[in-house]
Amino acid sequence: NAGVTQTPKFQVLKTGQSMTLQCAQDMNHNSMYWYRQDPGMGLRLIYYSASEGTTDKGEVPNGYNVSRLNKREFSLRLESAAPSQTSVYFCASEPGVSYEQYFGPGTRLTVT
Amino acid sequence: GDSVTQMEGPVTLSEEAFLTINCTYTATGYPSLFWYVQYPGEGLQLLLKATKADDKGSNKGFEATYRKETTSFHLEKGSVQVSDSAVYFCALSDNTGGFKTIFGAGTRLFVKA
Repeated sequence: NAGVTQTPKFQVLKTGQSMTLQCAQDMNHNSMYWYRQDPGMGLRLIYYSASEGTTDKGEVPNGYNVSRLNKREFSLRLESAAPSQTSVYFCASEPGVSYEQYFGPGTRLTVT
Repeated sequence: GDSVTQMEGPVTLSEEAFLTINCTYTATGYPSLFWYVQYPGEGLQLLLKATKADDKGSNKGFEATYRKETTSFHLEKGSVQVSDSAVYFCALSDNTGGFKTIFGAGTRLFVKA
């Protein structure tokens, strides 16, 4: 099992460009999450998907969109990147409520 | 709403010292509690968990006890190693209807040889 995989690992964008961060899990988990991690601010939830076919906003959804393509895949899209979106992005999956989350290795995004 | 507060870092210790990282929480229901660890350049990984009051989670020499009366879940290790240098996150997952885990801000630990 690969667990949770994310692509790309690193990305540099110019302001206004768009991109999609990919996430996939092979553990048959129902719930998936996107977080951003900034220095001194811990993890902040961007969007989550409790099950295939559903998505909901988290704490900081502005400037992002998501797609739960199927049970395995959950992508995060930046339509028009801004420098404030420079961060490390983590995808996570969870088998069910109150279980532990499994994290991917992260995508380090810089917007210039 | 639910929240997690953990001690600010960084915490700097010498090898073989005793470690405590404090964590307290606020929750309306009966949450499960977790400690996650993040090594440099990696994602978070579960270190230990406890699902009900008075449970003790343990792993790799780390322990934490779910204390409902003090709403705390402090992380302890009797003798730290250089390889324990990482960022530690306390978290709760409230099973009363949400699908979200609440994370603390993280505490960075440096262990010197």
